[in-house]
Amino acid sequence: DAKTTQPTSMDCAEGRAANLPCNHSTISGNEYVYWYRQIHSQGPQYIIHGLKNNETNEMASLIITEDRKSSTLILPHATLRDTAVYYCIVRVTYGGATNKLIFGTGTLLAVQP
Amino acid sequence: DAGVIQSPRHEVTEMGQEVTLRCKPISGHNSLFWYRQTMMRGLELLIYFNNNVPIDDSGMPEDRFSAKMPNASFSTLKIQPSEPRDSAVYFCASRPGTVQETQYFGPGTRLLVL
Repeated sequence: DAKTTQPTSMDCAEGRAANLPCNHSTISGNEYVYWYRQIHSQGPQYIIHGLKNNETNEMASLIITEDRKSSTLILPHATLRDTAVYYCIVRVTYGGATNKLIFGTGTLLAVQP
Repeated sequence: DAGVIQSPRHEVTEMGQEVTLRCKPISGHNSLFWYRQTMMRGLELLIYFNNNVPIDDSGMPEDRFSAKMPNASFSTLKIQPSEPRDSAVYFCASRPGTVQETQYFGPGTRLLVL
């Protein structure tokens, strides 16, 4: 699996957009980018994933560069409840036995009031 | 839907004792995962099952750890004998299919081995 690089921590003001970067320069053509987050004392929570097109759902937007070597997770209006560790994971998806996630150290996003 | 259910939520035991952690996946999900999380090593995949069959147990630290999934609605992770270094938060997750990686995590079991 391609490795990912994320900043250790970031701050964001409440109500502002939070932009979390992720570098995955060794990503292959069939590898998806997944984002999860983990709020303190809870299990990780799926946010969004994409292959090469930008994606948006009710939680966030995912912007993937044209060369796919980096991506940005955008929380459009961060709230205090968005304070969490955010994990960027690159994973090959071809069904069957080998699908699994490898979590790195992630980015601790601290939303400030 | 109740989500993934884990029990107990907290467990304190003494070194050498057997520990059994339990997980009920989301109904209809056919993949189940056991993870361990510590400050030093982060979130590690221990084992996962597809359709109740263990697929990859390469993350299981040693023979003291064993996992079973007797049916689609129940799984156990057993540590026998337990050691202080097993102290961690153990998460169970389930996934509806085998293609995408949308895993749904339980609240975790906090294990402390004295």
